Parts: sequence; structure tokens; C-alpha cells
Amino acid sequence: EAGVVQSPRYKIIEKKQPVAFWCNPISGHNTLYWYLQNLGQGPELLIRYENEEAVDDSQLPKDRFSAERLKGVDSTLKIQPAELGDSAVYLCASSRERGGGNYEQYFGPGTRLTVT
Amino acid sequence: GQQVMQIPQYQHVQEGEDFTTYCNSSTTLSNIQWYKQRPGGHPVFLIQLVKSGEVKKQKRLTFQFGEAKKNSSLHITATQTTDVGTYFCAGRGVYGNKLVFGAGTILRVKS
Repeated sequence: EAGVVQSPRYKIIEKKQPVAFWCNPISGHNTLYWYLQNLGQGPELLIRYENEEAVDDSQLPKDRFSAERLKGVDSTLKIQPAELGDSAVYLCASSRERGGGNYEQYFGPGTRLTVT
Repeated sequence: GQQVMQIPQYQHVQEGEDFTTYCNSSTTLSNIQWYKQRPGGHPVFLIQLVKSGEVKKQKRLTFQFGEAKKNSSLHITATQTTDVGTYFCAGRGVYGNKLVFGAGTILRVKS
């Protein structure tokens, strides 16, 4: 089966500019996650969707970050405006389960964001 | 909130030596998962442990879940250069649905 697809793979922007990342999960996976990974750290959950509903967005900085998953398939994560501290790898993952943690998560290749 | 800690942060071993990474949670877990991330790659699922005291093996890898379901370990016997990467544990608390990742242990293997 095809894996999780993310684009772009790399993005360099100046601070205060907007940026958007796109993710297409594995077909049939109802749960989609956006994670942030800083260098030398594990992935940190930003938001989790079950179908089109955001069921956990407690870690999403809502003043500048937004996400959507229209039709419960692919998803977009947006940052506006970007800050220097947002430089990181943004990972998308998907899984089959409902409820958050019972099944393996399949990760995409990530988008490496550099804010200058 | 729930915290997951891993030690060591980094280990450099000679090919053929054994390697162990340890994972400790601040709260009791309902399950724990282990992932491997190769340099420049993304996390890839290795295994999930659910039962207290559970031990699972995958070839040279042995995974254990503590009796109290608050700690876990991954042991690699006779490391190979293909084992290079960062190993993450990720735990789900009893009362929550979120998977919390540790900071990972970086393994380097000298041939």
C-alpha cells in the first residue's frame, strides 16, 4: 500500500510569512496526526483527527497555527505568521484506530521548515 | 501531564556488542510502542506492548514492559551497522488517548 504522503519536503521562509503543509494519509486510515519534531527530540503531538473531527488539539498554538481535514481524508496544517522558533520537522501520521493509541502509527517523510 | 523519559540519550557501540535503551513514564501506561528513526528518515513502528511484564522478541531485538506498566526496555543483541538510528518509546496513559514520545536514544555502531 502507498505510504503517508507529505508535501513539500522542504520549505524555507522568512519570519512573519505564512506557510502550509499538506498530508495525504494511507487509504482507509481514519485517524490523522500532525506532529512537530525538533532536532534531538521525539515527535510532539500538535493535533489529532478522527475522520474530519479534531479530537485533540490541546497542544496546537491556536494563535498562529490552524489545521483542517475536510472530508476526512487529506489534511493541511498552516502557520501564519511563522516565527524563528517554528523551524522544525512537521510530521504527519495516520492509523486505523479510534481513540488515539492502540494501533501503530504510519509516519510520512515530514516537511523540514526553516524560518529565517 | 504525562512525561516519558529515555536513557541513555546517546550510545556508541562496537559492532557485535549489545545495546539497551530504557524508557520510564511518570504515570501508569495502558500500552507502550517502540519506533525506530534512521538518520534523515521518519519514525517506523517496531512493536507494541500491552500486558504487565510482557516480553516480545523480534530476531535480535527484545522488548520488555515492566510489571508496574511504567517502564520498558529495548535490548539489541550483537548490534549490526543496520541498527543505527534513534529508538523512541511512546506511551499512552491509562486515562488519556494521546501517545507521548520519549526524546529517543541515538545508537551509533562502529564497524
